[in-house]
Amino acid sequence: EDKVVQSPLSLVVHEGDTVTLNCSYEVTNFRSLLWYKQEKKAPTFLFMLTSSGIEKKSGRLSSILDKKELFSILNITATQTGDSAVYLCAGGPTGNQFYFGTGTSLTVIP
Amino acid sequence: DVKVTQSSRYLVKRTGEKVFLECVQDMDHENMFWYRQDPGLGLRLIYFSYDVKMKEKGDIPEGYSVSREKKERFSLILESASTNQTSMYLCASNMAGWGTEQNTEAFFGQGTRLTVV
Repeated sequence: EDKVVQSPLSLVVHEGDTVTLNCSYEVTNFRSLLWYKQEKKAPTFLFMLTSSGIEKKSGRLSSILDKKELFSILNITATQTGDSAVYLCAGGPTGNQFYFGTGTSLTVIP
Repeated sequence: DVKVTQSSRYLVKRTGEKVFLECVQDMDHENMFWYRQDPGLGLRLIYFSYDVKMKEKGDIPEGYSVSREKKERFSLILESASTNQTSMYLCASNMAGWGTEQNTEAFFGQGTRLTVV
């Protein structure tokens, strides 16, 4: 059965901390892994990763994929209160489906 | 910018009612998806459609049906709403075609929070 598992389920940090969110996957015919940020509305796209070992960066956020060990991490450096959200990871095979994890709820306190 | 629009942000329906959730995208995407999101369970795929009049069951299709008469519109139908269908429903679309090797990211609507009483 295809599945995506995220850890931790929730995390509380202080502003300025660095956090690492984990995503492991078992997806048949895996092709890509996606990260989304969800505040109190629709998930917004962060990264798509298709190649192992190539880091993608956007400001204080970065992510990398390990296709051998079947996982990805999302790093956030110098966290801010605006980073508080649920972070979703999804694995996509060829075709059209995306399998989502349950999400990691991040709370950044001042 | 891609826009995925869901017809309602909040809905309250009675048990047994037939419920229609509408989703429209304006980027000519082939694929459209309906998910429900529940605490501790994440996003679960109900149905997806890869072309007009084409549909595939996702992980939890029971109690739901869908309709895709036009490329831009994908409707989720609850034939007889039940309290266990109280949830947040998210529609998404992307432009990958069936069988292509490249996925593209999915763009989400703002969600419909449905309460069945």
